[in-house]
Amino acid sequence: QVQMVQSGAEVMKPGASVKVSCMAAASSFSSQYLHWVRQAPGRGLEWMGLINPDTGYTTYSQAFHDRIAVTRDTSTNTIYMILTGLKSDDTAVYYCARSGGSGSGWYPGHIWGQGTLVTVSS
Amino acid sequence: DFQMTQFPSSLSASLGDRITITCRASQDIRNYAAWFQQKPGKAPQLLMYSAATLHSGVPSRFSGNGSGTEFSLTIDSLRPEDVAVYYCQNYYSPPYNFGQGTRLEI
Repeated sequence: QVQMVQSGAEVMKPGASVKVSCMAAASSFSSQYLHWVRQAPGRGLEWMGLINPDTGYTTYSQAFHDRIAVTRDTSTNTIYMILTGLKSDDTAVYYCARSGGSGSGWYPGHIWGQGTLVTVSS
Repeated sequence: DFQMTQFPSSLSASLGDRITITCRASQDIRNYAAWFQQKPGKAPQLLMYSAATLHSGVPSRFSGNGSGTEFSLTIDSLRPEDVAVYYCQNYYSPPYNFGQGTRLEI
Protein backbone atom coordinates (compact mmCIF):
# COMPACT_ATOMS: atom_id res chain seq x y z
CA GLN A 1 0.00 0.00 0.00
CA VAL A 2 1.18 3.50 -0.76
CA GLN A 3 2.54 5.31 2.27
CA MET A 4 2.75 9.06 2.66
CA VAL A 5 5.73 10.13 4.78
CA GLN A 6 5.91 13.70 6.04
CA SER A 7 8.77 15.79 7.36
CA GLY A 8 9.32 16.37 11.06
CA ALA A 9 7.95 18.91 13.50
CA GLU A 10 8.86 22.57 13.12
CA VAL A 11 8.99 25.51 15.52
CA MET A 12 8.75 28.83 13.72
CA LYS A 13 8.75 32.53 14.63
CA PRO A 14 5.80 34.75 13.72
CA GLY A 15 6.23 36.19 10.24
CA ALA A 16 8.45 33.34 9.08
CA SER A 17 7.71 30.76 6.38
CA VAL A 18 7.52 26.98 6.78
CA LYS A 19 7.98 24.26 4.19
CA VAL A 20 6.48 20.85 4.92
CA SER A 21 7.23 17.88 2.69
CA CYS A 22 5.26 14.74 1.90
CA MET A 23 6.79 11.82 0.05
CA ALA A 24 4.92 8.97 -1.57
CA ALA A 25 6.87 5.80 -0.84
CA ALA A 26 5.71 4.00 -3.97
CA SER A 27 5.52 4.50 -7.71
CA SER A 28 1.87 5.63 -7.59
CA PHE A 29 2.82 9.24 -6.80
CA SER A 30 1.15 10.33 -10.02
CA SER A 31 -2.43 10.10 -11.27
CA GLN A 32 -4.04 11.24 -8.03
CA TYR A 33 -4.67 14.60 -6.44
CA LEU A 34 -2.61 15.28 -3.33
CA HIS A 35 -4.22 17.47 -0.70
CA TRP A 36 -3.09 19.44 2.34
CA VAL A 37 -5.35 19.56 5.40
CA ARG A 38 -4.56 21.09 8.76
CA GLN A 39 -5.92 20.77 12.29
CA ALA A 40 -5.32 23.33 15.01
CA PRO A 41 -5.14 22.00 18.59
CA GLY A 42 -8.57 20.84 19.71
CA ARG A 43 -10.15 22.01 16.47
CA GLY A 44 -11.61 20.43 13.33
CA LEU A 45 -10.14 19.66 9.94
CA GLU A 46 -9.44 22.50 7.52
CA TRP A 47 -8.82 21.88 3.81
CA MET A 48 -5.97 24.01 2.49
CA GLY A 49 -5.34 23.09 -1.13
CA LEU A 50 -4.31 20.43 -3.61
CA ILE A 51 -1.91 19.67 -6.43
CA ASN A 52 -2.15 17.44 -9.47
CA PRO A 53 1.36 15.90 -9.40
CA ASP A 54 1.21 15.09 -13.12
CA THR A 55 0.48 18.61 -14.35
CA GLY A 56 1.43 20.80 -11.39
CA TYR A 57 -2.08 22.28 -11.33
CA THR A 58 -2.95 23.70 -7.92
CA THR A 59 -6.01 25.14 -6.23
CA TYR A 60 -6.14 26.67 -2.76
CA SER A 61 -8.63 27.72 -0.12
CA GLN A 62 -9.14 31.46 -0.16
CA ALA A 63 -8.83 31.33 3.64
CA PHE A 64 -5.07 31.37 3.07
CA HIS A 65 -5.19 34.22 0.56
CA ASP A 66 -1.78 34.35 -1.06
CA ARG A 67 0.16 32.78 1.84
CA ILE A 68 0.15 29.19 0.56
CA ALA A 69 1.97 27.44 -2.26
CA VAL A 70 2.05 23.72 -3.04
CA THR A 71 4.79 22.40 -5.29
CA ARG A 72 6.02 19.02 -6.41
CA ASP A 73 9.27 17.26 -7.26
CA THR A 74 8.49 14.35 -9.54
CA SER A 75 12.07 13.03 -9.33
CA THR A 76 11.59 12.24 -5.64
CA ASN A 77 7.80 11.68 -5.54
CA THR A 78 7.55 14.55 -3.07
CA ILE A 79 5.14 17.43 -2.65
CA TYR A 80 5.75 20.53 -0.56
CA MET A 81 3.44 22.93 1.24
CA ILE A 82 4.86 26.39 1.88
CA LEU A 83 3.00 28.73 4.22
CA THR A 84 4.28 32.28 4.60
CA GLY A 85 3.58 35.08 7.04
CA LEU A 86 3.09 32.65 9.91
CA LYS A 87 0.88 33.66 12.84
CA SER A 88 0.16 31.94 16.14
CA ASP A 89 -3.16 30.81 14.62
CA ASP A 90 -1.18 28.70 12.15
CA THR A 91 -0.06 26.40 14.95
CA ALA A 92 -1.51 23.08 13.83
CA VAL A 93 -0.86 19.58 12.62
CA TYR A 94 -0.53 19.62 8.83
CA TYR A 95 -1.50 16.51 6.88
CA CYS A 96 -1.00 15.49 3.29
CA ALA A 97 -3.56 13.10 1.86
CA ARG A 98 -3.74 11.21 -1.41
CA SER A 99 -6.99 10.83 -3.32
CA GLY A 100 -8.32 7.51 -4.55
CA GLY A 101 -10.37 6.35 -7.51
CA SER A 102 -9.86 7.69 -11.00
CA GLY A 103 -11.26 10.24 -13.41
CA SER A 104 -14.64 11.60 -12.36
CA GLY A 105 -14.84 8.79 -9.78
CA TRP A 106 -12.03 10.20 -7.63
CA TYR A 107 -12.52 10.68 -3.92
CA PRO A 108 -10.45 12.39 -1.20
CA GLY A 109 -8.54 11.09 1.77
CA HIS A 110 -7.67 7.61 0.51
CA ILE A 111 -4.29 7.61 2.29
CA TRP A 112 -2.97 10.12 4.83
CA GLY A 113 0.47 11.11 5.97
CA GLN A 114 1.32 10.90 9.66
CA GLY A 115 1.01 14.65 10.17
CA THR A 116 3.55 17.38 10.86
CA LEU A 117 3.19 19.65 13.89
CA VAL A 118 4.05 23.25 13.13
CA THR A 119 4.28 25.49 16.19
CA VAL A 120 4.39 29.24 15.72
CA SER A 121 5.73 31.02 18.77
CA SER A 122 7.91 33.98 19.57
CA ASP B 1 -18.04 28.21 -1.11
CA PHE B 2 -19.87 25.02 -0.25
CA GLN B 3 -20.32 25.03 3.53
CA MET B 4 -20.94 21.79 5.38
CA THR B 5 -23.03 21.93 8.56
CA GLN B 6 -22.80 18.82 10.67
CA PHE B 7 -24.96 17.82 13.62
CA PRO B 8 -25.03 16.95 16.38
CA SER B 9 -21.69 18.32 17.51
CA SER B 10 -21.48 15.61 20.16
CA LEU B 11 -23.30 12.40 20.84
CA SER B 12 -23.38 9.96 23.73
CA ALA B 13 -24.66 6.45 23.10
CA SER B 14 -24.42 2.92 24.51
CA LEU B 15 -22.74 -0.20 23.24
CA GLY B 16 -24.93 -1.91 20.66
CA ASP B 17 -26.86 1.27 19.81
CA ARG B 18 -27.50 2.58 16.35
CA ILE B 19 -26.58 6.23 15.77
CA THR B 20 -26.90 8.65 12.87
CA ILE B 21 -24.87 11.78 12.13
CA THR B 22 -26.20 14.32 9.65
CA CYS B 23 -24.40 16.72 7.32
CA ARG B 24 -26.07 19.48 5.35
CA ALA B 25 -24.40 21.18 2.38
CA SER B 26 -25.13 24.85 1.65
CA GLN B 27 -25.60 24.00 -2.04
CA ASP B 28 -26.23 20.89 -4.12
CA ILE B 29 -23.10 18.74 -4.12
CA ARG B 30 -24.77 15.78 -5.82
CA ASN B 31 -23.25 12.68 -4.16
CA TYR B 32 -19.76 14.13 -3.69
CA ALA B 33 -19.66 13.67 0.07
CA ALA B 34 -17.13 11.71 2.09
CA TRP B 35 -17.05 10.69 5.75
CA PHE B 36 -13.97 10.34 7.95
CA GLN B 37 -13.26 8.93 11.40
CA GLN B 38 -10.51 10.44 13.53
CA LYS B 39 -9.24 8.94 16.76
CA PRO B 40 -7.15 10.96 19.25
CA GLY B 41 -3.63 11.65 18.04
CA LYS B 42 -4.21 9.93 14.71
CA ALA B 43 -4.74 11.00 11.13
CA PRO B 44 -8.32 10.82 9.84
CA GLN B 45 -9.39 7.63 8.10
CA LEU B 46 -11.81 7.44 5.21
CA LEU B 47 -15.05 5.60 5.93
CA MET B 48 -17.32 6.45 3.03
CA TYR B 49 -17.20 8.24 -0.31
CA SER B 50 -19.72 9.03 -3.01
CA ALA B 51 -22.08 9.47 -0.05
CA ALA B 52 -22.81 5.76 0.28
CA THR B 53 -19.78 3.73 -0.90
CA LEU B 54 -17.99 1.92 1.90
CA HIS B 55 -14.22 2.35 1.72
CA SER B 56 -12.15 -0.82 1.58
CA GLY B 57 -11.67 -2.46 4.98
CA VAL B 58 -14.40 -0.47 6.74
CA PRO B 59 -16.85 -2.66 8.68
CA SER B 60 -20.32 -3.02 7.22
CA ARG B 61 -21.74 -1.60 10.47
CA PHE B 62 -21.04 1.77 8.85
CA SER B 63 -23.37 3.02 6.15
CA GLY B 64 -23.96 6.29 4.34
CA ASN B 65 -26.89 7.88 2.61
CA GLY B 66 -27.97 11.05 0.89
CA SER B 67 -27.53 13.27 -2.14
CA GLY B 68 -27.90 16.92 -3.01
CA THR B 69 -27.71 18.77 0.30
CA GLU B 70 -28.55 16.16 2.97
CA PHE B 71 -26.22 13.34 3.97
CA SER B 72 -26.06 10.92 6.84
CA LEU B 73 -23.65 8.45 8.38
CA THR B 74 -25.13 5.59 10.39
CA ILE B 75 -23.26 3.23 12.69
CA ASP B 76 -25.05 0.06 13.75
CA SER B 77 -24.23 -2.01 16.84
CA LEU B 78 -21.85 0.50 18.41
CA ARG B 79 -18.55 -0.92 19.60
CA PRO B 80 -15.95 0.61 21.97
CA GLU B 81 -13.55 1.23 19.07
CA ASP B 82 -16.09 3.56 17.45
CA VAL B 83 -15.25 6.32 19.95
CA ALA B 84 -13.89 9.05 17.69
CA VAL B 85 -14.70 12.32 15.98
CA TYR B 86 -16.50 11.99 12.65
CA TYR B 87 -16.29 14.51 9.81
CA CYS B 88 -18.11 14.94 6.52
CA GLN B 89 -16.44 16.59 3.53
CA ASN B 90 -17.64 18.14 0.29
CA TYR B 91 -15.56 17.21 -2.73
CA TYR B 92 -17.88 18.48 -5.45
CA SER B 93 -16.16 21.82 -5.82
CA PRO B 94 -13.20 23.45 -4.08
CA PRO B 95 -12.71 24.54 -1.40
CA TYR B 96 -13.34 20.99 -0.24
CA ASN B 97 -14.67 22.02 3.16
CA PHE B 98 -15.22 19.71 6.11
CA GLY B 99 -18.08 19.77 8.57
CA GLN B 100 -17.33 20.88 12.12
CA GLY B 101 -17.15 17.30 13.39
CA THR B 102 -19.26 15.10 15.67
CA ARG B 103 -17.66 13.71 18.82
CA LEU B 104 -19.03 10.25 19.63
CA GLU B 105 -18.81 8.95 23.20
CA ILE B 106 -19.91 5.56 24.43
